[in-house]
Amino acid sequence: DTAVSQTPKYLVTQMGNDKSIKCEQNLGHDTMYWYKQDSKKFLKIMFSYNNKELIINETVPNRFSPKSPDKAHLNLHINSLELGDSAVYFCASSKVNNEKLFFGSGTQLSVL
Amino acid sequence: AQSVTQLGSHVSVSEGALVLLRCNYSSSVPPYLFWYVQYPNQGLQLLLKYTTGATLVKGINGFEAEFKKSETSFHLTKPSAHMSDAAEYFCAVRLNTNAGKSTFGDGTTLTVKP
Repeated sequence: DTAVSQTPKYLVTQMGNDKSIKCEQNLGHDTMYWYKQDSKKFLKIMFSYNNKELIINETVPNRFSPKSPDKAHLNLHINSLELGDSAVYFCASSKVNNEKLFFGSGTQLSVL
Repeated sequence: AQSVTQLGSHVSVSEGALVLLRCNYSSSVPPYLFWYVQYPNQGLQLLLKYTTGATLVKGINGFEAEFKKSETSFHLTKPSAHMSDAAEYFCAVRLNTNAGKSTFGDGTTLTVKP
């Protein structure tokens, strides 16, 4: 009964390719997020959606496009992958007005 | 706006010794404060949080933290370290707004020596 699940766990791809990461939460939360953790383990928010609406967009290149088909899902599509996109991407969720974040186990993206 | 500073990117303690991980925050309004732990190849898990009320907060695995408004600090402590405590620890601050974003510190790697 994984609360926040994301797939795939590992993603290895060539520069220039387009890839997607999927995220689903079964907690009934209204808000979902994408975070990026770089090789130094710095964690930065990328996007936040509340009830399928984009709330936070943290100056992320427009090659990154989140999509929320419903409030239980938030997918991340990345176009024209670059070497610098290599990182671990974490999906998370929280209740609106509830502060705690629940994280998925991460997707390790390696761009070659 | 808010920010978080974790003093010390690496902390090493002996098993059984006191663990102290430092966190200072900056926030324009009273914040919510959190400590998360990340074990290797895993996502972050909440250790404890402060929202309102009692300033000494107890979390899982014997950890606790004290909110000190005058010092803008939220340091994490554990009286006696265990080998299983070795992990990455993140302090985070969040404003009390709908879908407010959490801002994370740069993390502190805790090493526990036998």
